[in-house]
Amino acid sequence: GEDVEQSLFLSVREGDSSVINCTYTDSSSTYLYWYKQEPGAGLQLLTYIFSNMDMKQDQRLTVLLNKKDKHLSLRIADTQTGDSAIYFCAEWDTGRRALTFGSGTRLQVQP
Amino acid sequence: DTAVSQTPKYLVTQMGNDKSIKCEQNLGHDTMYWYKQDSKKFLKIMFSYNNKELIINETVPNRFSPKSPDKAHLNLHINSLELGDSAVYFCASSQGGTYVYEQYFGPGTRLTVT
Repeated sequence: GEDVEQSLFLSVREGDSSVINCTYTDSSSTYLYWYKQEPGAGLQLLTYIFSNMDMKQDQRLTVLLNKKDKHLSLRIADTQTGDSAIYFCAEWDTGRRALTFGSGTRLQVQP
Repeated sequence: DTAVSQTPKYLVTQMGNDKSIKCEQNLGHDTMYWYKQDSKKFLKIMFSYNNKELIINETVPNRFSPKSPDKAHLNLHINSLELGDSAVYFCASSQGGTYVYEQYFGPGTRLTVT
């Protein structure tokens, strides 16, 4: 099956930029996603990018996609304490017709 | 207005019992899903339904049975609960079951089996 991998933990200081990385294996992925999960809460769709795009920007969020290396990143500018959460990378698996998630990156923002 | 809702939010029960989790979406979507999140936060698809028909049934014990009375509802029934079933179960919905670009999740149901 397809794998989506992420680093488990990232710690940054408030005001700095955060970069969360993800690698995926399914070269036929059409859409790639970033979800945010705060403690005790559900998953919030942050942004997504279509596979024919290299970059997508949405306010403080920038998604970069390197399709050749199957690498996806999420940059959060001016990181705030409210950004502390687990961030999941996911790809749309067209064969299984469902999302395949990475293991999640826990972002800790220190004041 | 809640887009995808689940009840109950917490469910504590004993081994061997049968329980159900309900899910409703008011987004007009035609596809609904159940995902399981384990204690290490790993998320995995269990089932998906498109227009009340089962699309995916991952390697899930047949003690788990999804039921979709209509496009807006997908319930999860679990028979003979086991300790290993303890997890957070998320319902989700989207428009389209083949190519999807937005999938919305419910708040989750934390199931604890004692």
